[in-house]
Amino acid sequence: EVRLVESGGGLVQPGGSLRLSCVASGFTFTSYAISWVRQAPGKGLEWVSAISGDGDNTYYADSVKGRFTISRDSSRKTVYLQMNSLRVEDTAFYYCAKDTSTTVIYYFDFWGQGALVTVSS
Amino acid sequence: DIQMTQSPSSLSASVGDRVTITCRASQSIRIYLNWYQQKPGEAPKLLIHVASSLQTGVPSRFSGSGSGTDFTLTISSLQPEDFATYYCQQSYSSPPTFGQGTRLEIK
Repeated sequence: EVRLVESGGGLVQPGGSLRLSCVASGFTFTSYAISWVRQAPGKGLEWVSAISGDGDNTYYADSVKGRFTISRDSSRKTVYLQMNSLRVEDTAFYYCAKDTSTTVIYYFDFWGQGALVTVSS
Repeated sequence: DIQMTQSPSSLSASVGDRVTITCRASQSIRIYLNWYQQKPGEAPKLLIHVASSLQTGVPSRFSGSGSGTDFTLTISSLQPEDFATYYCQQSYSSPPTFGQGTRLEIK
């Protein structure tokens, strides 16, 4: 059974940092790209970042470029999202989502349950 | 970025009804259009990929069609568990973008 479990969410002040983790199981970790997709409370879905299965290629939405960094550790079957210089508008549920290829093709067949990040003073 | 526009934004229907949701892209995305279902408090679930391919395990009452800029999701006979929010998403180019969602409510 494919599972993605996010952790690391919480309350942080504007300008602060947070690191989200997404632990994967039930599939060959290095064979699939992973994305982060966020959803502000009561709002729609916004893609944030993606990383290829081998970790060599990363992609970012303009809204987070230069502030967020995606990475993956195959020994831990974990994808990370390091979030720096956080803004109030980054407040959202953050989902990790499994792609269907080792390259990033942006179609997501399994999603985690989400981690809530709240940026507020 | 490619803009995705869904209509309607909300819809009231009854169990057994046939329902159609439309998604329009701001430029051609060929067939690279996916549909997701999201229930309150849950993560999105993939229903249909590349416009018309039903994801494994999804009931056959769901179907998708379209190409280019215009796409539809049809539910042939609504069941109680289908009341949710539906999103389209283009996977033609980066960044991938989602429609604003269609909330399907019980009449």
